[in-house]
Amino acid sequence: QKEVEQNSGPLSVPEGAIASLNCTYSDRGSQSFFWYRQYSGKSPELIMFIYSNGDKEDGRFTAQLNKASQYVSLLIRDSQPSDSATYLCAVNVNNDMRFGAGTRLTVKP
Amino acid sequence: DAGVIQSPRHEVTEMGQEVTLRCKPISGHNSLFWYRQTMMRGLELLIYFNNNVPIDDSGMPEDRFSAKMPNASFSTLKIQPSEPRDSAVYFCASSLRQGIDGYTFGSGTRLTVV
Repeated sequence: QKEVEQNSGPLSVPEGAIASLNCTYSDRGSQSFFWYRQYSGKSPELIMFIYSNGDKEDGRFTAQLNKASQYVSLLIRDSQPSDSATYLCAVNVNNDMRFGAGTRLTVKP
Repeated sequence: DAGVIQSPRHEVTEMGQEVTLRCKPISGHNSLFWYRQTMMRGLELLIYFNNNVPIDDSGMPEDRFSAKMPNASFSTLKIQPSEPRDSAVYFCASSLRQGIDGYTFGSGTRLTVV
C-alpha cells in the first residue's frame, strides 16, 4: 500500500462545477496535510494546508480532513479552465513530507 | 523575494559526464530539499538539509549522486557519472519551518542524459 494514495484521473468536470479531489494516507501519525497544484511543465505550487479535522476554506478552495478515516480532500468550487492541472496531496509525518502521485484535473469550458 | 532559484533550467549531457545542478533557497528558510520527478515514479525525495546539515540522504539512488550545502544560500546536486536513467526533472525546494509550513519549489532543472 502506498503511503499517500490519489486517484490518478484524469478527472474531468465542466466549467462552473465543483471538482472533488481525494487522498488517503496510511500513517496515523501524520500531522499536517498539504495540497499542491502543478501545471504541465511547471513546479508544484502550495495552495492549501490543513492541520485539524474539519474544513478549511480559502476562496474557491476547501480542504477537508478526517483523521479517523485517514482521508483528506480538496474541493474546488466554480471550477475554471485555469484550474486544469495536476493536484498533489502531501502528508507530513515527523518532518518527512510524502507526496501522492497526483490527480490530473481537466475543467472543460 | 525571488523565490527558490535553480540553474540551469535545462541540461542535456552525454552519458558518463558529470552534471551539477544548483539551488538558491529563499532567504531565511532553514530547510532545503532535493526532489526528482518522473512520470513513472512521481516526486521522489533525494536528500534534505536542515541548517545546512544533511539530515536524510536515504533517497539518493546511488553513490553517483552527491549533494552539498556549503552555506545557507547555496546547494548543489551532482551526478557523476550520469546515466540515461537519470533523465528527469530535478526540483529544489525550501521551507521556513519543516513539518509546519509547506514547501516552495524552484522552477526545476530538466535533465536529459543521452
